[in-house]
Amino acid sequence: SQELEQSPQSLIVQEGKNLTINCTSSKTLYGLYWYKQKYGEGLIFLMMLQKGGEEKSHEKITAKLDEKKQQSSLHITASQPSHAGIYLCGADRTSYDKVIFGPGTSLSVIP
Amino acid sequence: DVKVTQSSRYLVKRTGEKVFLECVQDMDHENMFWYRQDPGLGLRLIYFSYDVKMKEKGDIPEGYSVSREKKERFSLILESASTNQTSMYLCASRKGGASGRTGEQYFGPGTRLTVT
Repeated sequence: SQELEQSPQSLIVQEGKNLTINCTSSKTLYGLYWYKQKYGEGLIFLMMLQKGGEEKSHEKITAKLDEKKQQSSLHITASQPSHAGIYLCGADRTSYDKVIFGPGTSLSVIP
Repeated sequence: DVKVTQSSRYLVKRTGEKVFLECVQDMDHENMFWYRQDPGLGLRLIYFSYDVKMKEKGDIPEGYSVSREKKERFSLILESASTNQTSMYLCASRKGGASGRTGEQYFGPGTRLTVT
């Protein structure tokens, strides 16, 4: 099993609907990152969370890190077709600056 | 803007060939990474470098080697390509240093490698 789990694996929503993607770890996270990937391309950085209870927003996307720093959620309000893609959470391991990733959540937004 | 470039977007090689994937970043980042991405498995770390000539194995280093002779360039080498190495390869860089964990990674566009 992977160190980072994401749910759901895939998501299809109607344009205008809200949605949430979760990222869970069995270990304390030392820095949690959210990225978006358009199909067949590289990853684009969205947000970084480091402190327990931290919440950040950018446009219609909000990310939170729980107090125990073992779970993060990404919430999209009033989804648009431009939000479609794969969302990945990444986290620092404790040593040597390695970064690991969850398996990703595929989001489709139907106009 | 930080730019991470990869030598090829698409590559087709034959089984047994030696394959070089090149990655160059222009922001003087200490840390560079190679990942492979496969459906259902996400990004898996192959190798990581935290300085010139320094490297650390990731989760799946078997069948791969790396080279970092200059700070801006990190090469992934498939010594003898096999069909199970068909994948999307992504390079990333980020600022490093003594404090570590200093922020987000910047990714290249990826190289889709097919080994036949």
